[in-house]
Amino acid sequence: EAQVTQNPRYLITVTGKKLTVTCSQNMNHEYMSWYRQDPGLGLRQIYYSMNVEVTDKGDVPEGYKVSRKEKRNFPLILESPSPNQTSLYFCASSAQLGRDTEAFFGQGTRLTVV
Amino acid sequence: GESVGLHLPTLSVQEGDNSIINCAYSNSASDYFIWYKQESGKGPQFIIDIRSNMDKRQGQRVTVLLNKTVKHLSLQIAATQPGDSAVYFCAENWVTGRRALTFGSGTRLQVQP
Repeated sequence: EAQVTQNPRYLITVTGKKLTVTCSQNMNHEYMSWYRQDPGLGLRQIYYSMNVEVTDKGDVPEGYKVSRKEKRNFPLILESPSPNQTSLYFCASSAQLGRDTEAFFGQGTRLTVV
Repeated sequence: GESVGLHLPTLSVQEGDNSIINCAYSNSASDYFIWYKQESGKGPQFIIDIRSNMDKRQGQRVTVLLNKTVKHLSLQIAATQPGDSAVYFCAENWVTGRRALTFGSGTRLQVQP
C-alpha cells in the first residue's frame, strides 16, 4: 500500500529539548516536504526536498532543520523547540510536484511544546 | 480526532444535495491547482486537480471549475453524502525559483442526514 508514515503521532515535549519527527514514504518519490497546520492559517510549507541531499527552505523554516540522506526518509528536526512550534505537522511526498501528480500526506504529528 | 481549524468558514448541506465550495487563489502565474479533503485526525487527501489551460474537469461526483479571470476555483460535489463531511482545501502551484503548493485556509463541509 502506497503511504507516507510519520512518527510519532503525538508528542509533548519541553522547551529546548531536541526532537526529531520521522517521515518515510514507500513510493520512490523524489519530492518530499514538511508542512505545519495552524488554525486559521492553513498549511504552510516548512522545508522541501527535490531529491537526495537536495533540500531548501519553504515559507516558515525558522527553528527547523531537515535532512535527506535517503530517498525514502525526510526527518524534521527541532534543535531547540519553543512553544510557538506547537502545531500539527504533515509530511508529504510527490513523484513530481505540480505536474499532474498529487501529494500524498502522512497522518500528521501533533506536537505540543510546553 | 485532531482539529484542523477552529474558525473555518462552514458550509452546511442536506444529504443528497449538491455542494459548491469556493476558493480564491492568489497568484495569476499559478499553473496547477488541487483540491484536498481532510477528515478529522487524518492528513489531506487528493480529490481532483486541474491545469491552468483548462476551465473544467470532472471526476467521480466531483467537478472543479477554474476561472482565471477572477482567480477563482470551485469544487462541486454531487449528491453529497455524510462521508463527504470534512475540511476542503484548495492549493495552487506556482514557481518563483522553487516549486511549492500554497494552500488556502479551508472550508468545513457539514452534511446533515
